[in-house]
Amino acid sequence: EIVLTQSPVTLSLSPGESATLSCRASQGVASQLAWYQQKPGQAPRLLIYDASNRATDIPARFSGSGSRTDFTLSISSLEPEDFAVYYCQQRHNWPWTFGQGTKVDSK
Amino acid sequence: QITLQESGPSLVQPTQTLTVTCTFTGFSLATTGVGVGWIRQPPGKAPECLAFIYWDGEKRISPSLNTRLTITKDTSRNQVVLTLTNMDPVDTGTYFCAYRGVVPPTFAHWGQGTLVTVSS
Repeated sequence: EIVLTQSPVTLSLSPGESATLSCRASQGVASQLAWYQQKPGQAPRLLIYDASNRATDIPARFSGSGSRTDFTLSISSLEPEDFAVYYCQQRHNWPWTFGQGTKVDSK
Repeated sequence: QITLQESGPSLVQPTQTLTVTCTFTGFSLATTGVGVGWIRQPPGKAPECLAFIYWDGEKRISPSLNTRLTITKDTSRNQVVLTLTNMDPVDTGTYFCAYRGVVPPTFAHWGQGTLVTVSS
């Protein structure tokens, strides 16, 4: 099973600041990695698929990069609605696995 | 517009069998390349993929649950059913179903989830 390790666990930032979230895979996943945003009581929402492609209706301030084992989700100029938990997920090998999450909270 | 809705019991006793149903609209499971998955999320923890069923009936089951878990589809009724036997308190969590299309080839649409508590 591929293990995804996300860092940091928590990121405390203010609106308008930029966020950089990391996801490292225990083995190569090519570009088959997605990023999701989850708010309390809601289902995860797809942000980025295949490492760098924004999903439908996702604002341009969200961007993804990386390949093989190291991936980054960047959020430029945080909006109030961006404070949430973010998960990475690989679909390279079954079982598809999620990282443990990074919480972006308000400083 | 794609929608998915989970239904099932909110409380299950230990050793019982859980059956949850995903009813969807806006796509057909007869369409080449698509599929529906079940994802579980214990309270305060990360999601976990349990099972996935493709349009052609091919299935993927979590290796840690493969002796307890069954996934089936009813294409004509637009439903996917998950069955998990011998429930234990560690199986407590929110059970989501999600749609994976061709583009993007990942879970782009999710149901709201159903919270299942395992307790006597």
